[in-house]
Amino acid sequence: QQPVQSPQAVILREGEDAVINCSSSKALYSVHWYRQKHGEAPVFLMILLKGGEQKGHEKISASFNEKKQQSSLYLTASQLSYSGTYFCGRIETSGSRLTFGEGTQLTVNP
Amino acid sequence: ETGVTQTPRHLVMGMTNKKSLKCEQHLGHNAMYWYKQSAKKPLELMFVYNFKEQTENNSVPSRFSPECPNSSHLFLHLHTLQPEDSALYLCASSQESSSNQPQHFGDGTRLSIL
Repeated sequence: QQPVQSPQAVILREGEDAVINCSSSKALYSVHWYRQKHGEAPVFLMILLKGGEQKGHEKISASFNEKKQQSSLYLTASQLSYSGTYFCGRIETSGSRLTFGEGTQLTVNP
Repeated sequence: ETGVTQTPRHLVMGMTNKKSLKCEQHLGHNAMYWYKQSAKKPLELMFVYNFKEQTENNSVPSRFSPECPNSSHLFLHLHTLQPEDSALYLCASSQESSSNQPQHFGDGTRLSIL
């Protein structure tokens, strides 16, 4: 069963903030985040390992709460270039396969 | 430019045809992956190769046959496909098939089955 992402889609104006959530019904070892623009390859953003850490990538950061079995991606002061579909991927145990969620489509308008 | 190149970018084939998808990575990675991406569905892992050895087959039908002659090249041989196999097929690579390694994706091959 894949992780559940919410919301499925979000529309922002440039400069606004957004949060994308990724929840798992199974214990998490690590969470990966990727962004895919239309017609392009998914691009790696960050990996979070269990331990409740928070990581950042420019104005995009993420947290990982292993007790709640969820991760959240924070986009602050969004830019037009942030538009795309964001996927979270779950690793249940060390060495297991990466299972992706259905994605969250983010649109940033001027 | 992601360092992972897939050819062809688009492929249209009949159900009785045989074709192959090619993936080449220039990143010096040791693990390579095939994913299927269908509309409105999550990325679906198909196969994993680590140091040229297949380590994962996610219950993929035998009409899909992977081949990994070396750590830089990965093929997906197709034969007798079904209409539901129409999708975007993505290749990815990582340093190793470890859960802590980011994956680098190619732009994919858009496959249409007539």
